Amino acid sequence: DAGVTQSPTHLIKTRGQQVTLRCSPKSGHDTVSWYQQALGQGPQFIFQYYEEEERQRGNFPDRFSGHQFPNYSSELNVNALLLGDSALYLCASSGAGTLRGTQYFGPGTRLLVL
Amino acid sequence: GESVGLHLPTLSVQEGDNSIINCAYSNSASDYFIWYKQESGKGPQFIIDIRSNMDKRQGQRVTVLLNKTVKHLSLQIAATQPGDSAVYFCAETSGNTPLVFGKGTRLSVIA
Repeated sequence: DAGVTQSPTHLIKTRGQQVTLRCSPKSGHDTVSWYQQALGQGPQFIFQYYEEEERQRGNFPDRFSGHQFPNYSSELNVNALLLGDSALYLCASSGAGTLRGTQYFGPGTRLLVL
Repeated sequence: GESVGLHLPTLSVQEGDNSIINCAYSNSASDYFIWYKQESGKGPQFIIDIRSNMDKRQGQRVTVLLNKTVKHLSLQIAATQPGDSAVYFCAETSGNTPLVFGKGTRLSVIA
């Protein structure tokens, strides 16, 4: 049974560019959450997708957007990249469309903005 | 290379000893708590959870203690092994709010 998968594993972009990160949830899960983890910090919630809609959102600007597909996979898009967007971006999946469900994390995508 | 946890609180323990990792949470309304383990280059891995109607829960080699009076959570690892070396995060949530993670503690096991 495949766990949560993310692609790419690493990415280097320059300021002002746009990036798309991808996530496939654990088999049987229908809810995907995205987190940003800066070096030396705990993950910070960006938003959650369920039934192809954004259900909840953390304190992140509109430059951060996402999408969920009918197969429950998800994308995170970041526009107009800033140096401060450099971080590990984590995807977590859970079942039952609730934030309270146990979330299983993928390995993350490490984004470096130069 | 290092990908998680520069300048984190560090706990160093001898292999075979017990480890205790502490966490102070901030929201008195939080009613569900989770401990995650994050190894270098990997995403957080679920270890154990506890709901606010309990004060103790045991898993395999791990025990979580919850003290709601002082808003404190601890993770105890019995017979610590080199494979336990990682950064450990506590996370809290209430109702249907997003998980809020603590800053993390690095556990270093000395063989």
